[in-house]
Amino acid sequence: QSALTQPASVSGSPGQSITISCTGTSSDVGSYNLLSWYQQYPGKAPKFIIYEVNKRPSGVSNRFSGSKSGNTASLTISGLQAEDEADYYCCSYAGSRTFVFGGGTKLTVL
Amino acid sequence: QVQLQESGPGLVKPSETLSLTCTVSGGSISSYYWSWIRQPPGKGLEWIGYIYYDKSTNYNPSLKSRVTISVDTSRTQFSLRLNSVTAADTAVYYCARHELGGNPRFDYWGQGTLVTVSS
Repeated sequence: QSALTQPASVSGSPGQSITISCTGTSSDVGSYNLLSWYQQYPGKAPKFIIYEVNKRPSGVSNRFSGSKSGNTASLTISGLQAEDEADYYCCSYAGSRTFVFGGGTKLTVL
Repeated sequence: QVQLQESGPGLVKPSETLSLTCTVSGGSISSYYWSWIRQPPGKGLEWIGYIYYDKSTNYNPSLKSRVTISVDTSRTQFSLRLNSVTAADTAVYYCARHELGGNPRFDYWGQGTLVTVSS
């Protein structure tokens, strides 16, 4: 069970859109639509912003959206804002009632 | 509003056992799954394992031999024990709730507690 692969960092200017990828295998991301995305500010607990690939919890901005193709899931943030600067993690069901996280991506808003 | 609070020693000696408790308030511990997740300083998140209120458990295969998670429904608490710790176990440990055993939808988290393994 290896960690899902995410880019270490991405950046964008206010108003732009960015996409963060999360690549797994046919044993985790590719097999289940059970993948969540988390936003984490420094020193704070993660907050879930997307679940089941593309569903948003109530209260989460519709600027956040999720998708999946094959073994790769993606988080897109549109209309980038300064407050979006944070670390982002994906997490997938990996079978046998286990979960695996991605390595995390640091988003910088230029 | 559901709240989770981790508690336990912040310093553990190498080869000893790390013990943490998560206290749940503002909601029932029944009918939910309760996970432990950790984050080494400056690194990513790692799922450790979960327990259901009926005491059934599942663990990360990489930690399974050293981990025990238990629950006390009467006290709305669940606990983590990690034995034979090394410096690699130094991390912020979070407890979190999810509704389904196979769904990584962790909707409530504790604030996290830093545990340092050092002599």
